Amino acid sequence: EVQLVESGGGLIQPGGSLRLSCTVSGFSVSGNYLTWVRQAPGKGLEWVSVIYSGGSTYYADSVMGRFTISRDNSKNTVYLQMNSLRGEDTAVYYCARDRVGWGSGGPIDPWGQGTLVTVSS
Amino acid sequence: DIQMTQSPSTLSASVGDRVTITCRASQSISSSLAWYQQKPGRAPKLLISRASSLESGVPSRFSGSGSGTEFTLTISSLQPDDFATYYCQQYNSYYSFGQGTKLEIK
Repeated sequence: EVQLVESGGGLIQPGGSLRLSCTVSGFSVSGNYLTWVRQAPGKGLEWVSVIYSGGSTYYADSVMGRFTISRDNSKNTVYLQMNSLRGEDTAVYYCARDRVGWGSGGPIDPWGQGTLVTVSS
Repeated sequence: DIQMTQSPSTLSASVGDRVTITCRASQSISSSLAWYQQKPGRAPKLLISRASSLESGVPSRFSGSGSGTEFTLTISSLQPDDFATYYCQQYNSYYSFGQGTKLEIK
């Protein structure tokens, strides 16, 4: 069964750092495109970052230079390192797989259950 | 960056109604468009990919159309389970989502 499970969310002060983890089963992180999408409370979906099967990484402008996506193939886990956190980073962070996994990518499916990050003093 | 604009933001309708949601891309995305349904507290669910391909298990009352910059999601006869928020998403150049359409019971 294909499954993604996020962890690592919590309450963090502005300016702080947090690392989210996404452990997958049923497929390999190394052979797929894995994305992070976030949703602020009561707001819409915002794409955050993607790591391609070849290792290339891309980011939304809103997190460029502050967030880093990476993976550990041996643990079948993808990470999102979040630094210099701001109040507007408060959101549920979803890990999800790109269905296509090559070229420019495809629809996002399946999704994890999400982990809540709250940035507040 | 490709911007996605959905309309309307909120839609009030009754069970049995036919409803249409529109999504516009800021530049051509060919057919690289997906539609998702999201219910409160849940992750989004993929309904349609490649603008018009219905995912397995999704009721046939859902349909998608369009290409280039203009796309629509149509629900032919609303059922109680359909009241949710719907998002379009392009995957022609990385990813971006529309702002969402909340489908409410009239």
